[in-house]
Amino acid sequence: SQQGEEDPQALSIQEGENATMNCSYKTSINNLQWYRQNSGRGLVHLILIRSNEREKHSGRLRVTLDTSKKSSSLLITASRAADTASYFCATILPGTASKLTFGTGTRLQVTL
Amino acid sequence: DAGVIQSPRHEVTEMGQEVTLRCKPISGHDYLFWYRQTMMRGLELLIYFNNNVPIDDSGMPEDRFSAKMPNASFSTLKIQPSEPRDSAVYFCASSLHAGQYNEQFFGPGTRLTVL
Repeated sequence: SQQGEEDPQALSIQEGENATMNCSYKTSINNLQWYRQNSGRGLVHLILIRSNEREKHSGRLRVTLDTSKKSSSLLITASRAADTASYFCATILPGTASKLTFGTGTRLQVTL
Repeated sequence: DAGVIQSPRHEVTEMGQEVTLRCKPISGHDYLFWYRQTMMRGLELLIYFNNNVPIDDSGMPEDRFSAKMPNASFSTLKIQPSEPRDSAVYFCASSLHAGQYNEQFFGPGTRLTVL
């Protein structure tokens, strides 16, 4: 079963706008990662946030983590058409070493 | 580095045939993962290896699926016999050392169609 569920399932915005995607998970985690998947391609790692961190930035990306609510959000600022992709959160459960469990994904469409 | 390499990129076969998917991880990475992605089930971990040894194969759907890693630079995922419900995109990924704080690097995937 899916550990993470992204919300919304699909998001359409115009270039320049901000995009926010949310991820909820069910059990305690060691860390949470976000990946991007362009159509027909493999996944690309974007950012990792550890369970003792609350916020992390990388370029135009901002990730927050609220372990009390078992949720994370990914914010992409000043979106570009090239940001069009599916975005997945992934978690590693305690005691499962390297076993990543992926969420259901958010499909982001950025139009000109 | 060329990244994770998978072959073939596309495979079309008929039900009952044997299918072998191949993966070359990034040199120096200790962990190798096989995933399957479908619209219905999303991205599922099938099996992963550490230093060529299978660690967790609980995601392998049934005995028709098998995976090997004979050396640090090569792994195969075999389906025998294949069925239409095996149609999916199969990804291989690798990571450096223990995965707790390490990102995984994905290959481009093999799109399998079983007729």
